[in-house]
Amino acid sequence: AQKITQTQPGMFVQEKEAVTLDCTYDTSDPSYGLFWYKQPSSGEMIFLIYQGSYDQQNATEGRYSLNFQKARKSANLVISASQLGDSAMYFCAMREGASNTGKLIFGQGTTLQVKP
Amino acid sequence: DAMVIQNPRYQVTQFGKPVTLSCSQTLNHNVMYWYQQKSSQAPKLLFHYYDKDFNNEADTPDNFQSRRPNTSFCFLDIRSPGLGDAAMYLCATSITPLDTPDNEQFFGPGTRLTVL
Repeated sequence: AQKITQTQPGMFVQEKEAVTLDCTYDTSDPSYGLFWYKQPSSGEMIFLIYQGSYDQQNATEGRYSLNFQKARKSANLVISASQLGDSAMYFCAMREGASNTGKLIFGQGTTLQVKP
Repeated sequence: DAMVIQNPRYQVTQFGKPVTLSCSQTLNHNVMYWYQQKSSQAPKLLFHYYDKDFNNEADTPDNFQSRRPNTSFCFLDIRSPGLGDAAMYLCATSITPLDTPDNEQFFGPGTRLTVL
């Protein structure tokens, strides 16, 4: 069973507008972490934001915020004030606490294109 | 400033000819990971080292091996590359294998492998 689902293969957003990238997850582990990474065409994975399963507040990092809805098992990424440099592939990932390996399980990714 | 370095960035090999990809880190992290990312797909963990302890994923083909001679370096060996092994190979590091808020995985820029 797929553990991380990103249902939007591609998204467009106008420069300076906000955009939400969807992510749902599935786990029976009560302790887990959720991540968002940005992957530009160069290939490097750039860490954006982390949300722990026990965190009460939604994580924020600059223009990035994570809309964490635990009951719905969703962890959507919100990018505010989009910039041309935000055009990239975005991956949602999960790390299960019980695995004790640190293994990241990735979704299929969403390609974001920011229009000028 | 480079923290996780991968060499080479691009590697071309012939079908069946052994190839070695290199990863080094300046972070002094205990855990080093190798992920395989095929075109337009999510990265998938092949194996990881926690200090000197090697941990193989159950579905990683025997064709893939790894060595970690010291804390800083980790190598990915593909004994007999097939056409299906063409992919981006991403190295990542973390302090521990546990899921804690400050324990993000830092990725290198990746090595894109072409098999002719």
